[in-house]
Amino acid sequence: EAVLVESGGGVVQPGGSLRLSCAVSGVTFSAYAMSWVRQAPGKGLEWVSRISGTAESTHYSDSVKGRFTISRDNSRNAVYLQMDGLRGEDSAVYYCAKTVDSGDYPRYGLDVWGHGTTVTVSS
Amino acid sequence: IQMTQSPSSLSASVGDRVTITCRTSQNIYSNLNWYQQTPGKAPRALIYAASTLHGGVPSRFSGSGSGTEFTLTISSLQPEDFATYYCQQTYSTLWTFGQGTKVEIK
Repeated sequence: EAVLVESGGGVVQPGGSLRLSCAVSGVTFSAYAMSWVRQAPGKGLEWVSRISGTAESTHYSDSVKGRFTISRDNSRNAVYLQMDGLRGEDSAVYYCAKTVDSGDYPRYGLDVWGHGTTVTVSS
Repeated sequence: IQMTQSPSSLSASVGDRVTITCRTSQNIYSNLNWYQQTPGKAPRALIYAASTLHGGVPSRFSGSGSGTEFTLTISSLQPEDFATYYCQQTYSTLWTFGQGTKVEIK
């Protein structure tokens, strides 16, 4: 069974940067696309980004495009989210999640989620 | 693609039948998934492809619909089902979630 563990959250000033990591075990990591989803305090889920198993394709929500970069290292079974130009509205719990189906165009959503890591953007 | 869940919240009793609706701004065929989240916890995957239950999900949960209108039904609400439910479309390359439906105890 897949297990996902996020790390790297913390407090950062507006305009600052942070890099989140997600370590994955118990699954053939390179076969699956991975996503980041965030949840601001008291708010709903917001999809942030997705990367294919081969890392050839990446996608971002409009709210983070140009500021965040998703990447993965299949030799380390890890996925990352580099967050630059952070704003107050980026404050949230960030979840790493694995897609249900393998391939470059997953359709079945996310089945395994990490526990989340908290990012607070504040001066 | 815009997602609209209704209601945004509801109060129900144990044993009640509960239905949550998710509407999308364009045809997404059957590319619709449902999640359950309890406070302080990560979301749990319930249903994918509009109507297929993930392993371990009780059969009182069911999903239906296609195109632009989808429903999540809980046939007999149990104490552990009081939670917030989210739909998600995976038709477009940019995925989106509905705003959530909070199911509370009456």
